[in-house]
Amino acid sequence: QSVLTQPPSVSGAPGQRVVISCTGSSSNIGAGYDVHWYQQLPGSAPKLLIYGNNNRPSGVPDRFSGSKSGSSASLAITGLQDEDEADYYCQSYDSSLSGYVFGTGTKVTAL
Amino acid sequence: VDLMESGGGVVQPGGSLRLSCVASGFNFKYSWMSWVRQAPGRGLEWVANIKHDGSETYYLASVQGRFSISRDNAQNSLYLQLNSLTPEDTGVYYCAKDLAFAYYLDSWGQGAQVSVS
Repeated sequence: QSVLTQPPSVSGAPGQRVVISCTGSSSNIGAGYDVHWYQQLPGSAPKLLIYGNNNRPSGVPDRFSGSKSGSSASLAITGLQDEDEADYYCQSYDSSLSGYVFGTGTKVTAL
Repeated sequence: VDLMESGGGVVQPGGSLRLSCVASGFNFKYSWMSWVRQAPGRGLEWVANIKHDGSETYYLASVQGRFSISRDNAQNSLYLQLNSLTPEDTGVYYCAKDLAFAYYLDSWGQGAQVSVS
């Protein structure tokens, strides 16, 4: 079962800004553990998109950005493009479960 | 970095399966590694991870005692032994390079399909 809560879907017109929220609790995000984000294109394996709350691996466009506050985090896509249509997952560490936890996942659609 | 899983298949409930993951392109013997699964149409679920020397392993509570993660650094290989399988274990199993000091997974394989029915 997913410990981190995300909206099932978000959508926007190409060029618009969309934001995906990720809500945790005092044993994961709220305990100070970093939040990371993964992009899963249709039929593909997940790919690291953001690590350490707001850092982009080499090759990830700067239209993707992350932030964290309290027990929540968010991923923003500024200037949505058709190729950004994918599922997005947040992830953190949970001290009460002693393991990694993922969000419920959000499907992003470009209208 | 390249991670290639194998060993998936169809198995009856109560059966067993062993997944393998061959790594290349990085110093496997110095890296923590994880397994993550994804049930059909569902989200990602972390399953287990293992320290670079195999001395520490951690598991998702629902697989503890049924699954076993191991590695062979001489062969650059990671394994997941799946026992007492149930239909709820059906899904794609990914191996991933694990930056355990920062609690995230920076490279993923393409996955191996496991079907329990």
